[in-house]
Amino acid sequence: DAEITQSPRHKITETGRQVTLACHQTWNHNNMFWYRQDLGHGLRLIHYSYGVQDTNKGEVSDGYSVSRSNTEDLPLTLESAASSQTSVYFCASSESLAGAYNEQFFGPGTRLTVL
Amino acid sequence: GQNIDQPTEMTATEGAIVQINCTYQTSGFNGLFWYQQHAGEAPTFLSYNVLDGLEEKGRFSSFLSRSKGYSYLLLKELQMKDSASYLCAVRGTGGGSYIPTFGRGTSLIVHP
Repeated sequence: DAEITQSPRHKITETGRQVTLACHQTWNHNNMFWYRQDLGHGLRLIHYSYGVQDTNKGEVSDGYSVSRSNTEDLPLTLESAASSQTSVYFCASSESLAGAYNEQFFGPGTRLTVL
Repeated sequence: GQNIDQPTEMTATEGAIVQINCTYQTSGFNGLFWYQQHAGEAPTFLSYNVLDGLEEKGRFSSFLSRSKGYSYLLLKELQMKDSASYLCAVRGTGGGSYIPTFGRGTSLIVHP
């Protein structure tokens, strides 16, 4: 069965370190997304990609970067981790952005703590 | 941009019916989603509305009124496992607006 996975599931790091969160999907979806979820804010979009070599900034992109070298993976990098980036991070993918089959499929999430 | 409003928390009794409302303001509208998220888990898709009216799927139904910027999710015959957060997400038109914007979610507590 197709799936979307994230690793690690839990991560503790220190302020100033570079951290990369992995996201891998086997749906063969072109569209991939990274969100963070914090109490009182809901899901907020960090970065998204419509296909290989395409990346775009979302609502809360400062301090984060992504790269898309293949269809399956969209790693999220925190260049210099800050305590404000302590959050739960969800990766998602979707087949299309309009019409049928446009729902997003979410990974299990990564809980990141920055000390 | 989009502004989405839903109640923070609701409680209901097992076996009852509950309606979770979502109101939105958007410069362009291209669909509304409802997702369910159990504590510590990923959101999962429940329903999608792009035209006015009611979409029924088992115990869950979703309604949309585009002219009023309003949707609701109706859960019938509530079960304890329905205790979860319910997220309303609206998709706009043009560029990044095609990506749904999520509301803050409604935490539903079902008690015996």
